[in-house]
Amino acid sequence: QKEVEQNSGPLSVPEGAIASLNCTYSDRGSQSFFWYRQYSGKSPELIMFIYSNGDKEDGRFTAQLNKASQYVSLLIRDSQPSDSATYLCAVNNWQAGTALIFGKGTTLSVSS
Amino acid sequence: DTEVTQTPKHLVMGMTNKKSLKCEQHMGHRAMYWYKQKAKKPPELMFVYSYEKLSINESVPSRFSPECPNSSLLNLHLHALQPEDSALYLCASSQEQGAEQYFGPGTRLTVT
Repeated sequence: QKEVEQNSGPLSVPEGAIASLNCTYSDRGSQSFFWYRQYSGKSPELIMFIYSNGDKEDGRFTAQLNKASQYVSLLIRDSQPSDSATYLCAVNNWQAGTALIFGKGTTLSVSS
Repeated sequence: DTEVTQTPKHLVMGMTNKKSLKCEQHMGHRAMYWYKQKAKKPPELMFVYSYEKLSINESVPSRFSPECPNSSLLNLHLHALQPEDSALYLCASSQEQGAEQYFGPGTRLTVT
């Protein structure tokens, strides 16, 4: 059974701080890694994707991938109350023909 | 433009009704997906179409019937649903199967 694990939270950070969200996955053959943000009652919104080991930065967001440790993380710098949402980590081993596997999500709360 | 549209936004149906959910994308994506999401759970994959052919069917009950009339459209036909089928139904698309997926706003389905 392929699994993606996330701490469910809630993760609480003050406004302006760095929020760090973590995810581990069990399928060593996974090639694609995604972070989605989902507000309550809304659909998931893709905020980052990463395919290679290392860091990928986009604005206030940085995704980090370590395939040897089977670990992917998302850093949110200068956190804002509008960042308060559930963050879903998703992993794909498309070469094996499997579908996207989601973690259960981490709830982030940013207090002003 | 990374827009996926879904209609209707809300749907209430009885257990004997037949209804359809519609999804459309004009990004030239060749993979389209149906997911079901219950409250406080991650999206659960139902079907994947790749190049207009059914690629993955995650053992979904036959009361859900997908259809891909062309590369831009995806339908989900519903018949004789149960109250436990009430959920948010999400459509997504990606350039190819395995690439980053973009979600539509979803259809909130209530079965009475």
